[in-house]
Amino acid sequence: AQKVTQAQTEISVVEKEDVTLDCVYETRDTTYYLFWYKQPPSGELVFLIRRNSFDEQNEISGRYSWNFQKSTSSFNFTITASQVVDSAVYFCALSEWETSYDKVIFGPGTSLSVIP
Amino acid sequence: DTGVSQNPRHKITKRGQNVTFRCDPISEHNRLYWYRQTLGQGPEFLTYFQNEAQLEKSRLLSDRFSAERPKGSFSTLEIQRTEQGDSAMYLCASSLEEDSEAFFGQGTRLTVV
Repeated sequence: AQKVTQAQTEISVVEKEDVTLDCVYETRDTTYYLFWYKQPPSGELVFLIRRNSFDEQNEISGRYSWNFQKSTSSFNFTITASQVVDSAVYFCALSEWETSYDKVIFGPGTSLSVIP
Repeated sequence: DTGVSQNPRHKITKRGQNVTFRCDPISEHNRLYWYRQTLGQGPEFLTYFQNEAQLEKSRLLSDRFSAERPKGSFSTLEIQRTEQGDSAMYLCASSLEEDSEAFFGQGTRLTVV
């Protein structure tokens, strides 16, 4: 069965520190997609990234970077030089192409607080 | 505003009453999704539409829940005989096609008292 685990419930960092949010997933499908979403206090989920299971290249977008490792079933997210505006709940998510791409399974989320 | 729009933003209802939420997707997006999010949890998939066709329903969607998208544009989610356990944020999302990013609305927060 598919599952997404985010072991860190809450993280607090001081502004300008780097922080890594962990994500571990389970799936039996060979083709799947992994996502990260940000949910600020306003409540709207903001899409950050989508990776497919065949692309293990790490990705960097500004202060954000993602490390995808199939060997450990992990898709970790790092924020470099964190800012107060990064404070939000971050969700890792999975969808399986063969089962149902449109049914996205979300993890429980990690609440990040960046302290000025 | 051309994002996904949900109305109302907040709804308080008495147990046993029926409620209906509306979602207006981004124009020309043919896929529309409903999710439910309880406090401290990630969103849970409820159902999705491709145009007016409802293609998948979660087992979370009991008989008291019904969703429609009659003309392939806006969608409604109705909950009949609400229960306290229905209290949650109901999120709607839309995407242009199967293999594209989903954009979420700000949700409707339901409180059943």
